Order: sequence, then structure tokens, then C-alpha cells
Amino acid sequence: GQNIDQPTEMTATEGAIVQINCTYQTSGFNGLFWYQQHAGEAPTFLSYNVLDGLEEKGRFSSFLSRSKGYSYLLLKELQMKDSASYLCAAMDSNYQLIWGAGTKLIIKP
Amino acid sequence: DAMVIQNPRYQVTQFGKPVTLSCSQTLNHNVMYWYQQKSSQAPKLLFHYYDKDFNNEADTPDNFQSRRPNTSFCFLDIRSPGLGDAAMYLCATGTGGVSNGYTFGSGTRLTVV
Repeated sequence: GQNIDQPTEMTATEGAIVQINCTYQTSGFNGLFWYQQHAGEAPTFLSYNVLDGLEEKGRFSSFLSRSKGYSYLLLKELQMKDSASYLCAAMDSNYQLIWGAGTKLIIKP
Repeated sequence: DAMVIQNPRYQVTQFGKPVTLSCSQTLNHNVMYWYQQKSSQAPKLLFHYYDKDFNNEADTPDNFQSRRPNTSFCFLDIRSPGLGDAAMYLCATGTGGVSNGYTFGSGTRLTVV
């Protein structure tokens, strides 16, 4: 079956760094997406990885290892506004997104 | 700005009373998706259109129907809402390839009373 696993909740301190891990199992693979979702709002696109390695985009970076079925999202210089859920989603061979339940990130001052 | 627009943002409906949620897009994307998302859960795909081709997920209840009269508009009809249908309903568009994933509308939060 197809499955995405990510932690339910994480807590970090303002100004610090946090890494949110995701493992996936899909029928075929066309890339790994990270979305940010604030409470009561729609998900917004953060990053896309299809090749192994690290993609950096400002304070956010995303890493992929296809052989391990593993990705992480790295958030640096955390700000209070980064408090949100972070959803990992893998695209299968039919170009459908398989979603994780999201990791709720709580930022403390 | 090109975008995906969902109306209304909040919808309250009575138990068993048909309700329609709407989605429009100015991106000219050929794929449109409807998701149901309950609190702290992953979005659940209900169905999607590739152009006019309708694709229903196997576990989507018959209570949920959809229409796509043209490229820009897509509707979600819930024929007889139950209390368990209270959720956020997300419309998303895509190009059918990987590109930048999907573009989501702001969602409609449905309350059933």
C-alpha cells in the first residue's frame, strides 16, 4: 500500500532550527512535496524534490533520499509565524499526491 | 493575480439538506481536485477531473457528486449531508504533471447542524 509517515507534533524555540522528517512508500515516485498549512487555511506549496539531495530556499531547505524513501524539511531562524502544520506528500506514478497527516509545529518564544 | 477561488469560505447547512460548494480558477489548469480534510488529518482525495474526464476515488461515498461545466469551474454537491461530513473542503488545480504540485483554494469549512 501507499503510506506517508511524519511526526504528529514538534516543539521548537524562536530563532532555532528544526528538522521535520518524512518517510514514504508509493507505487512509483514522481517527487516529494512539502506544504505549509496554517490552522483553518489551505495548504501552500513550500518545496519539491525529485532528485536526491538538498534544495535550499531561503530559511527553508528540503532533502530527499529516494533509496531510503526519506525526506526532511529544515527550517532555520524560526519565527513565530512558522507555527503551522507541515504536510509531506509524495507523488505516485499516476501523478496523484499521497499525503501525510501533517506535523504540527509549535514555536515558543 | 491568477488563483483558485472557493466560495463560500464558511458554509453552514442542515442535516440532510443538499449543499453545493464552488471552485473557480484563472490558472487554466486542466486538472481540478476536490479534497476533504478533517482536523489533524491528511487531505482525502474525493475525485478529480482531467479536463472533462471524471475520476472518482473508490471510497468516495455516493453522497458526494461533482460537476465541471468548463475549464474554470468545478462544483462539489453533497446530496444529503450528515454530521460526519463536517470538514474543510479543498479545491486544488494542477497541470497533470509534476510542475509545482497543486495550487489550492482557500477552502470551504462546512458545518452540518
